[in-house]
Amino acid sequence: QKEVEQNSGPLSVPEGAIASLNCTYSDRGSQSFFWYRQYSGKSPELIMSIYSNGDKEDGRFTAQLNKASQYVSLLIRDSQPSDSATYLCAVPKFISNFGNEKLTFGTGTRLTIIP
Amino acid sequence: DGGITQSPKYLFRKEGQNVTLSCEQNLNHDAMYWYRQDPGQGLRLIYYSQIVNDFQKGDIAEGYSVSREKKESFPLTVTSAQKNPTAFYLCASSIVGGHYNEQFFGPGTRLTVL
Repeated sequence: QKEVEQNSGPLSVPEGAIASLNCTYSDRGSQSFFWYRQYSGKSPELIMSIYSNGDKEDGRFTAQLNKASQYVSLLIRDSQPSDSATYLCAVPKFISNFGNEKLTFGTGTRLTIIP
Repeated sequence: DGGITQSPKYLFRKEGQNVTLSCEQNLNHDAMYWYRQDPGQGLRLIYYSQIVNDFQKGDIAEGYSVSREKKESFPLTVTSAQKNPTAFYLCASSIVGGHYNEQFFGPGTRLTVL
């Protein structure tokens, strides 16, 4: 089993609808989870962080975490064409006694919003 | 403005050459990282550094070298020993020791071997 798994897509969603992106992870000890957005040819941009079970909302974005099921999702409400990008799920793993972490990334889900 | 800069944006290398990619940050972050991204694959960690004059190998360090002489700078050298260096290289930084170490990325360098 991969450490972080995402459906690669492409996922096509009509403008104004809700886009739902999913991610599963293998390490039950993981405590924090990140969603990055990456436009074609650009670097990843952090858009959401979630640390506790449940939902976290930020504008049109909602992250949902279920540690028992080892599942984290990202919902984008009122999808806009500018949301068309690849969304990367990232899960940290401790790599030193300093508390430093490396990020393990999924391969990303390509999202296309159809006008 | 605080941020991470990488240069050059595009780099072309002939086989057998070493090239150095620059990464600078003014976020006052202690930790810096180098990742590589290939089409259809997730980002993979090459090297990381938590403090000046110290760095550690990541998952795919073979054929790469780094230095950390200043807190703000973490250059990556792609050596001729790296068999497949064509990729998108991303530098990131974060605080160290916090409970949630969010990593922030620079704009990236796209390296092509001719």
